[in-house]
Amino acid sequence: QSVLTQPPSVSAAPGQKVTISCSGISSNIENNYVSWYQQLPGTAPKLLIYESNKRPSGIPDRFSGSKSGTSATLTITGLQTGDEADYYCVTWGVQKLFGGGTKLTVL
Amino acid sequence: EVQLVESGGGLVQPGDSLRLSCAASGFTFSYYWMSWVRQAPGKGLEWVANIKPDGSDRNYVDSVKGRFTISRDNAKNSLYLQMNSLRDEDTAVYYCAREEHWAFEIWGQGTMVSVSS
Repeated sequence: QSVLTQPPSVSAAPGQKVTISCSGISSNIENNYVSWYQQLPGTAPKLLIYESNKRPSGIPDRFSGSKSGTSATLTITGLQTGDEADYYCVTWGVQKLFGGGTKLTVL
Repeated sequence: EVQLVESGGGLVQPGDSLRLSCAASGFTFSYYWMSWVRQAPGKGLEWVANIKPDGSDRNYVDSVKGRFTISRDNAKNSLYLQMNSLRDEDTAVYYCAREEHWAFEIWGQGTMVSVSS
């Protein structure tokens, strides 16, 4: 069982918006940066968000991150079928903690 | 092109040892913290260990402490993971990753380690 809690699955229709939550405690999320990763089936994870709300170059602005207190959120707008993937949050202490992952289905 | 390529995975028995390698190219390897992250079949991601650019500081997840050793050779642009006393629960795809901006910025394609009798 992961220290960081994510919903096992979320779904939405193409073009809609979806949010994925990542809940922890003050010793992990509240006091550390959060990053988010997308893992398409059969591939390595890819960085989507770093320092809680920044996007690497090449990541569309449809992907955004936020953090408040002991929770972080990944928001994806304008959903596309190609966004179907597993999404993971990570907090950055000495120990790097992953959330359990969320499977996104685009209906 | 920035690239990480893992190798060394395979099928071993419980109690055996295995050494994974990660070859880095396209960037100055000696500038970066590096990590190993693993993913058991059908499961989520788990950080395993990381190492400072000069190799002077290493950190491990509790479940591998005393069994796994992370190391690097900056002259060869290579990262390693020596895995001893392997257990069934160590079965996973092992990824190496470059750390930057408090995140795993670049990932390799992974190498599969299977521990089974």
